[in-house]
This record gives sequence, structure tokens and C-alpha cells, in this order.
Amino acid sequence: QTVVTQEPSLTVSPGGTVTLTCASSTGAVTSGYYPNWFQQKPGQAPRALIYSTSNKHSWTPARFSGSLLGGKAALTLSGVQPEDEAEYYCLLYYGGPWVFGGGTKLTVL
Amino acid sequence: QVQLQESGPGLVKPSQTLSLTCTVSGGSISSGGYYWSWIRQHPGKGLEWIGYIYYSGSTYYNPSLKSRVTISVDTSKNQFSLKLSSVTAADTAVYYCARVGAVAGTPFFDYWGQGTLVTVSS
Repeated sequence: QTVVTQEPSLTVSPGGTVTLTCASSTGAVTSGYYPNWFQQKPGQAPRALIYSTSNKHSWTPARFSGSLLGGKAALTLSGVQPEDEAEYYCLLYYGGPWVFGGGTKLTVL
Repeated sequence: QVQLQESGPGLVKPSQTLSLTCTVSGGSISSGGYYWSWIRQHPGKGLEWIGYIYYSGSTYYNPSLKSRVTISVDTSKNQFSLKLSSVTAADTAVYYCARVGAVAGTPFFDYWGQGTLVTVSS
């Protein structure tokens, strides 16, 4: 069974920069996995942030960026704001099915 | 702006079939170009992709759920539906519907419904 792994939790200071990663049990994540990233706050539906590794939706704040880093998909937040405290999920495409990562709880402290 | 809204029973008995509908507004399912997806989230846990359907009826399912899942579309009502058979307590979750598009061949999930909690209990 394919497993997508994210850091369970990360902490960042306001104004700081943090990178969340997304790894696949099948090997290196490439652009062909079309990584998507989502933000979810308590009691809310997930909100799409990034698709196909690095593309932003029209509503995605500029401080969010996506990339491939060391064989993983990565989401970088630069100039973190208090409202960025949330759970972040990545999603990878496996040529048919999609698989979500377990999520990273980001604390802004 | 596209909006999606899930509806259906909030309580289902074990061994029965869970049935949910997602109503799409602000866009037509039959116009094509998008897949329509179901995702669930167990209480306090992460997200799980269930499957999706194209307006033509083509479907793709999560292999781990494939034997119990059916996703269908009703273009006349601009709705798509989820049926999950033989449910157990492990199917208790918030169920979301979402739109999946593609730009230059690159797929993306964009709009999501607010989610609906389905509890499996006798």
C-alpha cells in the first residue's frame, strides 16, 4: 500500500519561514505526481493552495510556494502570519488513484 | 463562483448503504473539463480520496474502497452521488465533495463542499 509521509508537526515564529515536505513510499516525488497542497483549519473544509508542484490558485497568498526538494514535494511559507496556523495536507497522483499525506500541523508561536 | 453542497442522512446503520449527493451551483457538470470527486475524513484524522467521476460517467476509485463504492452523476440535476455499501463504524467520517480540473494536462483540486458528517451506528 502506498504511503505519503509528511512531518506530523512543525512550529514557526511569526514572520519566519518554514518548509513542509511530502514523501512517497514508492520513491522520489517528481512533477508527474502533480503534487497538490491544501490548508485546513479546525471545523472547516480543506482549501486548495498549490497544484502541480508549484502553481497557485487565484486565491493563494503570495507567501505560499511549492517546489520539489530532495526527492519530495515541498510547501514553503515565507513571512508566516498567525492565520497560517492550520493543518496542511499534500496529495499525490499515482496514475489513477490519488493519495493524501497524513498532514502537518503547523503552529505559529 | 462554483459552489458544492453535500446532502444526505447523517446516521446510517451498520451493514447498510451510505448515500450522499453533491449539488453543484455556479457551473454545469455537463460542460465537461472537470472530474467530480468524493473525499472523506475520519474524526480527528487525515483525508482519504474515495474516487471521482467525469460527466460522461467514467469513474476512478480508491482501490481500497473500490468493491464497496459507486459514484454516479445526474447531469439533469447538476448533481453527483456517492454510494458506499456494507458500512461499518470505520466508515464514520466527514464526507466532502470537490471539483477536479486540469490545465494543460495538469490536474488540480480546487472547489470543495463544506462537508457532511456521517455516523455509522445502530
